[in-house]
Amino acid sequence: QSALTQPASVSGSPGQSITISCTGTSRDIGGHNYVSWYQQYPGKAPKLIIYDVSQSPSGVSHRFSGSKSGNTASLTISDLQTEDEADYYCSSYTSSVSLLFGGGTKLTVL
Amino acid sequence: EVQLVESGGNLVQPGGSLRLSCTASGFIFSNYAMHWVRQAPGKGLQFVSAINTNGDNKYYGSSVKGRFTISRDNSMNTLYLQMDSLRSEDTAIYYCARALHLAAPSLWGQGTLVTVSS
Repeated sequence: QSALTQPASVSGSPGQSITISCTGTSRDIGGHNYVSWYQQYPGKAPKLIIYDVSQSPSGVSHRFSGSKSGNTASLTISDLQTEDEADYYCSSYTSSVSLLFGGGTKLTVL
Repeated sequence: EVQLVESGGNLVQPGGSLRLSCTASGFIFSNYAMHWVRQAPGKGLQFVSAINTNGDNKYYGSSVKGRFTISRDNSMNTLYLQMDSLRSEDTAIYYCARALHLAAPSLWGQGTLVTVSS
């Protein structure tokens, strides 16, 4: 099963908003409301920042928000800050009772 | 403090076996489904396996099905991953994660490195 499709890199300036897309199929993103997003700093473990498409775990900044339309999910980071520079991964539950991840997006804050 | 600590990673030859452990503390382990997720050097995340709270239901990624076995001992607050018939492409950091539900690994350990090489 192929990974979900994410852009390899995105960039933005402090204070701006950016959006990272995650595209799948009707067997994963389009068929279930179980999309999650993770933030990962180099050499560190991933951290869950969005689950069930748009839900925020306790303690996560509300500058992070998620949405979904058809087979594509999106992560939006508003009021971009330098500490947001990291790798971001999406994941989705699949109809084969599994979990599929995206290839990851490197966010650069200019 | 809520914590997951993986152990057991090592250098192993192709075709060999290894058992990873993940010890949980700071929460009621038996209340949570658990995941194993791996990350090859410089690559993205890949689902390996998941198990429900009592161990009755187990799920595997296509690349490890038939070679890896997930299990848990709720009395010992420990999650396991038995890895057999290892291949070079299994080389990765293996993370265990506590799940909000089976589709959302939420709290991750620091990972343990498995290297498969001759």
